[in-house]
Amino acid sequence: EAGVVQSPRYKIIEKKQPVAFWCNPISGHNTLYWYLQNLGQGPELLIRYENEEAVDDSQLPKDRFSAERLKGVDSTLKIQPAELGDSAVYLCASSQGQRETQYFGPGTRLLVL
Amino acid sequence: DAKTTQPPSMDCAEGRAANLPCNHSTISGNEYVYWYRQIHSQGPQYIIHGLKNNETNEMASLIITEDRKSSTLILPHATLRDTAVYYCIVRSQGAQKLVFGQGTRLTINP
Repeated sequence: EAGVVQSPRYKIIEKKQPVAFWCNPISGHNTLYWYLQNLGQGPELLIRYENEEAVDDSQLPKDRFSAERLKGVDSTLKIQPAELGDSAVYLCASSQGQRETQYFGPGTRLLVL
Repeated sequence: DAKTTQPPSMDCAEGRAANLPCNHSTISGNEYVYWYRQIHSQGPQYIIHGLKNNETNEMASLIITEDRKSSTLILPHATLRDTAVYYCIVRSQGAQKLVFGQGTRLTINP
């Protein structure tokens, strides 16, 4: 069974530029999560989807971050414009339901110059 | 969700059992203990979880004390590929997110 797929794996951009990350969850997983991981820290939740609905986006900086999960499968996380402090790893995870075990993708490592 | 305390780092010799402790003294009755690990440049990998009873799978064993205030993750025969940061997470049955701490950086030495 394929795991959570994320792309790109690495991204380098200049500050003020837009950037987007893509996630394809495990087949059949209704719940999708985006986490942010700063260097040396554990991941922190940004947003959680139940199917196509964002049910917890309280930690998402809405002035520059946006996310969508059209058709309740793939998801995209966008930053516009990016700032130097956004350099981090962006992780996507999925689970069969909101109380089930979460499985993570490899992450996208973002460097903002 | 209850907080956890883990040693920041540990070393273990290749082939030996690695025993990773975790304290969760404020755990409540409906909270599970989850273990994930994160190998360098990869996403967190689910290892095992349990509520009260000891659990074992192909990756590891989880030993939970009778009072549930602490637990130990056991990797029975550690290999170099087990070098990673190991996270112990306490999660209630109704919780929708994982709250990660600093974890334990386990180094397996040849």
